[in-house]
Amino acid sequence: EVQLLDSGGGVVQPGGSLRLSCTASGFNFRNYDMVWVRQAPGKGLQWVSTVSPSGDSASYSESLRGRFTVSRDNSENTLHLQMRGLTADDAAIYYCARDKGVNGALVFDYWGRGSLVTVSS
Amino acid sequence: DIVMTQSPDSLAVSLGERATIKCKSSQSLLYSSNNKDYLAWYQQKSGQPPNLLFYWASARQSGVPDRFSGSGSGTDFTLTITSVQAEDVAVYYCQQYSHTPVTFGGGTKLEIK
Repeated sequence: EVQLLDSGGGVVQPGGSLRLSCTASGFNFRNYDMVWVRQAPGKGLQWVSTVSPSGDSASYSESLRGRFTVSRDNSENTLHLQMRGLTADDAAIYYCARDKGVNGALVFDYWGRGSLVTVSS
Repeated sequence: DIVMTQSPDSLAVSLGERATIKCKSSQSLLYSSNNKDYLAWYQQKSGQPPNLLFYWASARQSGVPDRFSGSGSGTDFTLTITSVQAEDVAVYYCQQYSHTPVTFGGGTKLEIK
C-alpha cells in the first residue's frame, strides 16, 4: 500500500524557517517525481515544487523561488522542503504528493495527510 | 500562468440527481502532437487531502466510481456525477498540467440539497 507520511509542521515566527519531511512507503520512491502542494486555510490548491527522481532537478513556484528548497533522500525514501523567510502568506497545509508517472502528465495520485504550518509571532 | 476558472462556486443537488461542474482554462490544454488534453480533476473531502479522479480530461483513475465522468477539450471541461451519493459531498478541483506552473481551479463545493 502506497503511503506518504508528512511531518515537521508547526508554529514559526515571521521571518523564521521550517523544514518539512515526507516519508514514503509501498512503492519504489526513487522512480518517481515528487511534489509539494499547499493549501491556505479555507482556500484552494497551489503547486509549490517538484523534484526529479534522482533529486538533481527541481522546479518551484515563481513566487517562492529563492526561499524554498526541495530535496530528497532516496536511501531513506524521504522528501524534504526547507522553507525560509516565512510570512503570513505561507501559512497553509503542505502536502507531499507523488507524480503518477504517466508519460507527460504531472498529476498527483497519492497524497500525504499534510503538515500544518502556522506563521505567527 | 494559465488561469483555471470553475463554475459554479458551489451547488446543492438532491440525492440521485445529476451534478455538473465546469472548468475553463485561459489557454487551450489540447496538444495536437498527441491529441491529449492536459487536464485533471480531484475530489477533496473535508479534512482530507485531494484524491485524483481523472487525468487527460477523461481517463478515470483506478477506483473511481463510474457515476463520475470527465469530458471536454481545448479550454472547456466538465465533471459530471450522474447520480449523486451522500459520499460525494466534497470540493472538486480541476488542474492543468500543460504548462508550468501547474495551476488549479478555485474549487466547486458540492452539497446535498
